[in-house]
Amino acid sequence: DVKVTQSSRYLVKRTGEKVFLECVQDMDHENMFWYRQDPGLGLRLIYFSYDVKMKEKGDIPEGYSVSREKKERFSLILESASTNQTSMYLCASSFGTLTPNEQFFGPGTRLTVL
Amino acid sequence: GENVEQHPSTLSVQEGDSAVIKCTYSDSASNYFPWYKQELGKGPQLIIDIRSNVGEKKDQRIAVTLNKTAKHFSLHITETQPEDSAVYFCAAYNDYKLSFGAGTTVTVRA
Repeated sequence: DVKVTQSSRYLVKRTGEKVFLECVQDMDHENMFWYRQDPGLGLRLIYFSYDVKMKEKGDIPEGYSVSREKKERFSLILESASTNQTSMYLCASSFGTLTPNEQFFGPGTRLTVL
Repeated sequence: GENVEQHPSTLSVQEGDSAVIKCTYSDSASNYFPWYKQELGKGPQLIIDIRSNVGEKKDQRIAVTLNKTAKHFSLHITETQPEDSAVYFCAAYNDYKLSFGAGTTVTVRA
């Protein structure tokens, strides 16, 4: 079974802090994704990566950056957390570089910024 | 970019009845349409998908239809059961990305 794990289920941070969200997948997938999920807005893509050290902006990249130093790990970074970044963050992975295949999601990290 | 609209936002059905969720998309270049189910406390999980060269696909009690001309696709769940209660998301693939609808919360009443 594909497993996507996220470093924390719940996280509370203060405004202005630098926040790291980590995601690891164990199926050698080429593609990895970061989404945020908000009520009434569905899932919105922040960044994705189709290979090590490669990254592409999604629909809402402002205020975020990412890092992919190893194939299995994709990190989301909030450089200076703000209250409007309070949300559920979901990581996903899929095989086949830039091809439309099933995305496997982690359980999510609920981030609260105070 | 792609814009996906999903209706209804909430749906309550009697156990054993059918449930239908509808989505429209804006970009005719979209070519892959998955449906995800999200249970409480979990990440979304793929339940069925359809590609643009197919008009209908069925998997047991779940079916998806695609109308490329009208740019809409639908999820049909027959003989609903309590375990079908969840949030369902449609999505459209375009420009290497999935764009998701806002989600439909389905409640199956016993």
